[in-house]
Amino acid sequence: DQQVKQNSPSLSVQEGRISILNCDYTNSMFDYFLWYKKYPAEGPTFLISISSIKDKNEDGRFTVFLNKSAKHLSLHIVPSQPGDSAVYFCAASAGHAGGTSYGKLTFGQGTILTVHP
Amino acid sequence: NAGVTQTPKFRILKIGQSMTLQCAQDMNHNYMYWYRQDPGMGLKLIYYSVGAGITDKGEVPNGYNVSRSTTEDFPLRLELAAPSQTSVYFCASSKGQGGETQYFGPGTRLLVL
Repeated sequence: DQQVKQNSPSLSVQEGRISILNCDYTNSMFDYFLWYKKYPAEGPTFLISISSIKDKNEDGRFTVFLNKSAKHLSLHIVPSQPGDSAVYFCAASAGHAGGTSYGKLTFGQGTILTVHP
Repeated sequence: NAGVTQTPKFRILKIGQSMTLQCAQDMNHNYMYWYRQDPGMGLKLIYYSVGAGITDKGEVPNGYNVSRSTTEDFPLRLELAAPSQTSVYFCASSKGQGGETQYFGPGTRLLVL
C-alpha cells in the first residue's frame, strides 16, 4: 500500500525554465510534508517542508504547494539550474503537530529531474 | 561536524552470513533511523530510536536488529543475510520533538549473493 506516490519517474527541463514535481498521498493523518534531494552515491538532503496548516511555503527558488482536499503537493523550482539535476523524494509524517510521529517519514518513489543547459 | 557517518560504504555478503552496519552522528541528536532503498523505490523505515536504550520497529524490520547504547551510535545488525536484503542502507538522525528534518548519512551498499 503506497501511501505516498510520485507518479512521474522522471522529468526533463531546460535551464531557466520551471520544474514542477508532483506528489500524491492517501493517508489523511499526514500533517507534515517534506522534499528531499538526492545525488548519486550520497544520502538525501533536506530541501523544504510544509505543515498541513499552510498551503504554500517558499525558500529562494523552491516553493512547495499543498492541496489538502486533493491530497496533493508539488515542488516548484524557478529558475531551474543544471545543478538541480538529482532525484527528488517527497516524504510525509503523521502526528507532527502533537509530537507523536517520532519523526517517522513515509517516502515516495522519487522523481529523477534532469535540467539541460 | 562530520554529521552522520556510515561504514562500510560497500559490502558483499554470502547468504547466511551476518554483519553490522555502523552509524554514528556528532550532532547530539536524540532520534536516529535506519532506512533501506531498493532500486526504483523510496526509502522504507527499518528501525528507529528516540534515545539511548529506546528502539522500535519501522515498516520493514524483519531480518534486522538494532541497539542504541549511546546517543551517538545506532548500529544495524543482519543476522542471516538473504538476497532480499540486497539494498542501499541509509542512517539518519534528527533533533526529535517534532523536528522531522532528518540528516542522512552517505549510505551503505549491500549485495547478498
